[in-house]
Amino acid sequence: DAGVIQSPRHEVTEMGQEVTLRCKPISGHNSLFWYRQTMMRGLELLIYFNNNVPIDDSGMPEDRFSAKMPNASFSTLKIQPSEPRDSAVYFCASGTGSGTGELFFGEGSRLTVL
Amino acid sequence: GESVGLHLPTLSVQEGDNSIINCAYSNSASDYFIWYKQESGKGPQFIIDIRSNMDKRQGQRVTVLLNKTVKHLSLQIAATQPGDSAVYFCAENPTSSGNTPLVFGKGTRLSVIA
Repeated sequence: DAGVIQSPRHEVTEMGQEVTLRCKPISGHNSLFWYRQTMMRGLELLIYFNNNVPIDDSGMPEDRFSAKMPNASFSTLKIQPSEPRDSAVYFCASGTGSGTGELFFGEGSRLTVL
Repeated sequence: GESVGLHLPTLSVQEGDNSIINCAYSNSASDYFIWYKQESGKGPQFIIDIRSNMDKRQGQRVTVLLNKTVKHLSLQIAATQPGDSAVYFCAENPTSSGNTPLVFGKGTRLSVIA
């Protein structure tokens, strides 16, 4: 299995631009999680989906952030408009209720907003 | 395992020595705990887990200890190697299902001196 796949690995953009991050979870996993990692706040949960349905988006910073999961094999996290304080590494993880509580992480998307 | 501002706690260990990384968790109702290892530029990777009905679990060169009375978790690495250099995170889950999010500690940086 290729694991959780995220793209792009790196993105540099200017303030005000739209950013779209993508994630392909592990096949067969029915839960998907978006985390953001910064030095100041560590790993923070933004939103998670079970069976493609958003369950908890209370971690999404503000309306500029949105996430979708149109099918079991794809999710996007969009920031519009982006701001410098959004600069972070964004991780996608997937898990399954039929296994252990382990979440499997992708390699992350490093976002820099200038 | 709590971070202070921009700086992660750092543990420096001589190669071949044993390492002990500590973590205080927050939710007394948490049922499941995981230690993750994160190398530079990569996503967190699973090391070992433990359920709340256990107080010790051993893996290959690693042991996790759980003290529910004081809400404390520790990771012991035997015969530490240069490849063990990374940031280590403890994570807790209110359930033992992969359908619910993990809550992460701030992390501890392990530096192995050759």
